[in-house]
Amino acid sequence: DAKTTQPNSMESNEEEPVHLPCNHSTISGTDYIHWYRQLPSQGPEYVIHGLTSNVNNRMASLAIAEDRKSSTLILHRATLRDAAVYYCILSQYSGAGSYQLTFGKGTKLSVIP
Amino acid sequence: EAQVTQNPRYLITVTGKKLTVTCSQNMNHEYMSWYRQDPGLGLRQIYYSMNVEVTDKGDVPEGYKVSRKEKRNFPLILESPSPNQTSLYFCASSLTWRLMNTGELFFGEGSRLTVL
Repeated sequence: DAKTTQPNSMESNEEEPVHLPCNHSTISGTDYIHWYRQLPSQGPEYVIHGLTSNVNNRMASLAIAEDRKSSTLILHRATLRDAAVYYCILSQYSGAGSYQLTFGKGTKLSVIP
Repeated sequence: EAQVTQNPRYLITVTGKKLTVTCSQNMNHEYMSWYRQDPGLGLRQIYYSMNVEVTDKGDVPEGYKVSRKEKRNFPLILESPSPNQTSLYFCASSLTWRLMNTGELFFGEGSRLTVL
């Protein structure tokens, strides 16, 4: 199974950009890269996803390496509300047209005021 | 408001006493799933359902049962709970299993279960 590797924890100062790295060296050609985050005492929430090209939405940007073996989630200006565990996940084809998302342990982001 | 609702949010029970955690979504989603979250282990999938009457095992199905009789509901059943099932449980749903590669999973707020 393709897996992802993320640092256990990171710190950022408030209002500065944050780059959260993810390695997925065994990614296959059909795997999408997803990012979710989990705020304290809440369920995970979707952040962004992509296949090959860089992606932007209102929450974040996703930069995908040309060889797709790594990606980076970019929060342009960290706020205290962005303190959460961030999960980098691959959606893997599991047969009969279905895909599965397998969550790892994620990166705990702390934001310093 | 679009949401996934789980009940109960907190429960303390004793070994062997059957319990059901309910999950309901109001978004007409085909795909639903249960996860458990334990310290140091992240989120692990228990069971999932691609549509009504279609369910399959995830990574850690032992000791759990599910059913999907209606599109909106996906209850998790612990027939004979044991202390190792003490965990935080999340239900999630998505529009369709066909778009799991590009779609978004919506999660409930979680159910914290303690089995004594």
